[in-house]
Amino acid sequence: EDQVTQSPEALRLQEGESSSLNCSYTVSGLRGLFWYRQDPGKGPEFLFTLYSAGEEKEKERLKATLTKKESFLHITAPKPEDSATYLCAVCKAGSYQLTFGKGTKLSVIP
Amino acid sequence: EADIYQTPRYLVIGTGKKITLECSQTMGHDKMYWYQQDPGMELHLIHYSYGVNSTEKGDLSSESTVSRIRTEHFPLTLESARPSHTSQYLCASSSGQGDQPQHFGDGTRLSIL
Repeated sequence: EDQVTQSPEALRLQEGESSSLNCSYTVSGLRGLFWYRQDPGKGPEFLFTLYSAGEEKEKERLKATLTKKESFLHITAPKPEDSATYLCAVCKAGSYQLTFGKGTKLSVIP
Repeated sequence: EADIYQTPRYLVIGTGKKITLECSQTMGHDKMYWYQQDPGMELHLIHYSYGVNSTEKGDLSSESTVSRIRTEHFPLTLESARPSHTSQYLCASSSGQGDQPQHFGDGTRLSIL
């Protein structure tokens, strides 16, 4: 059974304090790993797709990396507007369906 | 920015009523999905469609039904709402293979009294 575990559940950072969010996954053949951002009362907003171990993608203060067992979302010098819940999801080979983790709620304090 | 729309955004209604949650996308995506999300919990897939006249149930058992008569439209119906149906319902769509991202609407928050 596919599983996605995200840690920590919640993270409070001071503005400018860099950190990383973790997504550990178990899937029989990875087709893609997806990172989303979700603001309160909104649907998830797509950030990145990673396809193979060693791949990295960047967008502004965010950088996502992938190994064979986990993915990290690195946040460099975060700002209060980066506060949101970050979701990780995997799609296994031969499927179109996503398995989501519970997310990490990030709060960035000014 | 993804063009996928859900209505209504919020719905508070009594037990036993028939409810239809609307979802439309203007991106021409062939695949559409319905998820259920409770506070602090992961999204669970309840229905999906890979094209017109194609619908399947997801991993999470749901008493709702869906239809896909047009590519852009994927409504979800509850014939008789119960308090256990109270949740956030999110619609998504995608194109191509499973490595393409799903794009989400802003959801319908449903409360059954």
